[in-house]
Amino acid sequence: DAGVTQSPTHLIKTRGQQVTLRCSPKSGHDTVSWYQQALGQGPQFIFQYYEEEERQRGNFPDRFSGHQFPNYSSELNVNALLLGDSALYLCASSLVGTGLGTEAFFGQGTRLTVV
Amino acid sequence: AQSVTQLDSHVSVSEGTPVLLRCNYSSSYSPSLFWYVQHPNKGLQLLLKYTSAATLVKGINGFEAEFKKSETSFHLTKPSAHMSDAAEYFCVVSDASEGYSTLTFGKGTMLLVSP
Repeated sequence: DAGVTQSPTHLIKTRGQQVTLRCSPKSGHDTVSWYQQALGQGPQFIFQYYEEEERQRGNFPDRFSGHQFPNYSSELNVNALLLGDSALYLCASSLVGTGLGTEAFFGQGTRLTVV
Repeated sequence: AQSVTQLDSHVSVSEGTPVLLRCNYSSSYSPSLFWYVQHPNKGLQLLLKYTSAATLVKGINGFEAEFKKSETSFHLTKPSAHMSDAAEYFCVVSDASEGYSTLTFGKGTMLLVSP
């Protein structure tokens, strides 16, 4: 049973460019959340997708957008990249409707470096 | 709003001695609480979770945590540290106040284990 898979594992982009990160959730999961982990910090919640809609969003600018596909996989897009966007981007999948305590399974992350 | 404070950024122990990683939380609702571990260049792995059942929670690899509502604490302990325990540990709170479950992470505690 494959866990959460993310691609690519590493990425280098130039300021002002756009980037797309991809995530396939754990088999049977229908909810995908994205987190940004800056160096030396804990992950920060970006947004969550369920039924192809963004249903909750953290304190991130509109440059960060996403999408969820019918097969539950998801993309994170970042426009007009800034140096400060350099971070590890983590995808987590879970199963909606299981209430509090739902375990989120994390991928290995995509390390984005903006130069 | 929910938040987590991990009281120590670094904890150093000797192999075979007890481990204590401290965490305090704030939540407007009855929270779920988690501890995740992150080894270098690896994804986040769930150690244990509290979901309003028993206040003493046992997790993997000999770790356990006790939920103390009066102290708003959820400290992680292990009786005897092993070299393989060296990693970063995150205390996490989940507040499904809107029916959705998103995770708020602490800044992390780096556990260093010396021979």
